Amino acid sequence: GAVVSQHPSRVICKSGTSVKIECRSLDFQATTMFWYRQFPKQSLMLMATSNEGSKATYEQGVEKDKFLINHASLTLSTLTVTSAHPEDSSFYICSAAPATEAFFGQGTRLTVV
Amino acid sequence: GDSVTQMEGPVTLSEEAFLTINCTYTATGYPSLFWYVQYPGEGLQLLLKATKADDKGSNKGFEATYRKETTSFHLEKGSVQVSDSAVYFCALTRNTGGFKTIFGAGTRLFVKA
Repeated sequence: GAVVSQHPSRVICKSGTSVKIECRSLDFQATTMFWYRQFPKQSLMLMATSNEGSKATYEQGVEKDKFLINHASLTLSTLTVTSAHPEDSSFYICSAAPATEAFFGQGTRLTVV
Repeated sequence: GDSVTQMEGPVTLSEEAFLTINCTYTATGYPSLFWYVQYPGEGLQLLLKATKADDKGSNKGFEATYRKETTSFHLEKGSVQVSDSAVYFCALTRNTGGFKTIFGAGTRLFVKA
C-alpha cells in the first residue's frame, strides 16, 4: 500500500511559540491531503483539506489563522500551529488518498507547556 | 449526510474469546468500507477493507463482510489475543463531491490474559 510519513512523532513546545508538522506521501503524488485532530479517547475530527497549489479548505469551527496549512508540492503538506496554547495539545494525524482508500501518517503528539 | 455508527466500548474479553464489533453506515451511492486499528500512541493502520457489496475483507484473523441490505460491516475474530487490545475504527470513504473519509466513534477493546 501507499506510504504517508508524518514528522515529528512527538513535539513539546512552549506557549506562544509555533510548531510545524510535516506530512509526506512517499510513493505517490497527492494533490489532496487531510489533517485530523484526535482528542483523548475520541474519534478523528477532520480539521481541513489541503489542496496542492491552492488554499486549504477548513471545516467549520477550525481557526484558519491558528492552523496554517501549506501544500506547496505534490508530496508535502505542512500544518503549522501558530501561537500555541495548552488547549492545542492533541494528537494530529494526516492522510492522503491516491485512489479510493486513505493512508494515514503515524500521527504527531503535540504538548504545549 | 453520510455517517458511521459503531458499538460503544470498551469491550473487555478474555483471551481466545470470540469478538464482534458492530458497525452500520448511512451513505448515498456505493461507499468503500474499512476497519482501522489504532494502538496506544500510534496512528491508524488499515486492518481490512471491502469495496463493494458482499465483499469480505480479512486480515490477521479478522473478517468483515460488506452487507448492503443491512448497511453493515461488522468486525469479527474467532479467537482474540492480548495483542489485539487497541481501538478499532469503522470508516467509509466516498468520492462524490470530493474525497472524504467518515469515521465511527471508535471501539476500545481490552483482552485479558
